[in-house]
Amino acid sequence: EAAVTQSPRNKVAVTGGKVTLSCNQTNNHNNMYWYRQDTGHGLRLIHYSYGAGSTEKGDIPDGYKASRPSQENFSLILELATPSQTSVYFCASGDVGGHTGQLYFGEGSKLTVL
Amino acid sequence: GQQVQQSPASLVLQEGENAELQCNFSTSLNSMQWFYQRPGGSLVSLFYNPSGTKQSGRLTSTTVIKERRSSLHISSSQTTDSGTYLCAMDPGTGGYKVVFGSGTRLLVSP
Repeated sequence: EAAVTQSPRNKVAVTGGKVTLSCNQTNNHNNMYWYRQDTGHGLRLIHYSYGAGSTEKGDIPDGYKASRPSQENFSLILELATPSQTSVYFCASGDVGGHTGQLYFGEGSKLTVL
Repeated sequence: GQQVQQSPASLVLQEGENAELQCNFSTSLNSMQWFYQRPGGSLVSLFYNPSGTKQSGRLTSTTVIKERRSSLHISSSQTTDSGTYLCAMDPGTGGYKVVFGSGTRLLVSP
C-alpha cells in the first residue's frame, strides 16, 4: 500500500518565524507535490519535484521554498511565515506523466500562523 | 490553460437516492482520478481511471476520453457518503502537474 507521511500534523507558528513541513513517501515515486487547501480556493499547487535534487514552482510559489534531498523526502519551507499562510497543507506523490498518473496523498498538516 | 469543470458544486440527497457527479475537461487527458475527502480529512483515492468504466461497491466511475468527460455514480447513497468529491486529470502533455476540479460537496441526510 502506497504511503505518504507528513509531519507535523499540526503546527502553530508566529509571524516572521520559520516553518518546515516534512513529507516522506515509501512509494518510490519520482514526483512529489505540495498543495495547500483553503475554503473557496480548493487545492492549489505550491511546489513540486520530479526527482531528488529537483524542485519546481507550482501555481502559488511566492513565500515558499521546497527541498528534495532524496527520493523519499520532500520539504516545504516558509522562511518568514505570515498569517495568510494559515492553511492545510497536503503532500502527495505519484508517477504523473509516467505509466500511471495516480496520486497518493498524506494526511495533511494544519498550519496556523499567529 | 487546462481546466476542469466539476458539477454540481453541491448536492443534497436523501439516504437511498442515487447521485451522478460530473467532470468535464477543456483539453485532452491522459488519465483521471476521483478522490473523496471527509471534512477535516485527507484525500482518499476512489478510482484511478484512464478510460472506460470501473466499479467498486456502490461507486462507478466512467471516463470517456474522446468526449473529455468523467462521471462518478453513487448508488443507494448512505449518510457516510457525505463529504467532498474531487476529480483530477493528468493532461499527459509531458509535464508532471495534475489539474483538480473544484469539488462536489455531498450531503446525505437520513
